[in-house]
Amino acid sequence: AAGVIQSPRHLIKEKRETATLKCYPIPRHDTVYWYQQGPGQDPQFLISFYEKMQSDKGSIPDRFSAQQFSDYHSELNMSSLELGDSALYFCASSLGTAQFYNSPLHFGNGTRLTVT
Amino acid sequence: AQKVTQAQTEISVVEKEDVTLDCVYETRDTTYYLFWYKQPPSGELVFLIRRNSFDEQNEISGRYSWNFQKSTSSFNFTITASQVVDSAVYFCALSEARGSGGSYIPTFGRGTSLIVHP
Repeated sequence: AAGVIQSPRHLIKEKRETATLKCYPIPRHDTVYWYQQGPGQDPQFLISFYEKMQSDKGSIPDRFSAQQFSDYHSELNMSSLELGDSALYFCASSLGTAQFYNSPLHFGNGTRLTVT
Repeated sequence: AQKVTQAQTEISVVEKEDVTLDCVYETRDTTYYLFWYKQPPSGELVFLIRRNSFDEQNEISGRYSWNFQKSTSSFNFTITASQVVDSAVYFCALSEARGSGGSYIPTFGRGTSLIVHP
């Protein structure tokens, strides 16, 4: 079965550079979520989108922005990167109604971002 | 304050032992959802189970079983006859309705690292 696809798998950037992470949800899933997992930490919710509109916001820094496109894929844009942004970034998807009726989130394999 | 507490940071067992991973949660909502996810060394997050607050039935799936007790706000996970492939970090998560939109976003515990030795 198709899963959530994230690209790239690994990304190395220098401080103050920008990065773009991409997420392709499971077919027919119209809700995407972004989580950040620092080393040895639990995943922290950043932001979510439902039907191309931002639906919820967590601890996403102002330097980060995200959007969901007409084909439901999503991109997380990160600017002025800092060393502390080094983490595993997960995208997850679910059916739209699951936003409110809570079907499980299905996660991608993550993008490991290293900022040097 | 942490809404999901996984007090066991790391558990080490020998293959074929049974092991229970504890999860205690905190919520004032009457409707909420609980999850367990597995994160193997390769890094992906694998969904294991979801429970809603109105369903306290325990569940068994192969060597995995879950014990949900609202009276103690616990949702514990037991692996029977553990195997080396069970070595991973296991996360418990809680979803409560958020804000005026009522959406549910999982909040994760800190995770329990399970090491199964051959």
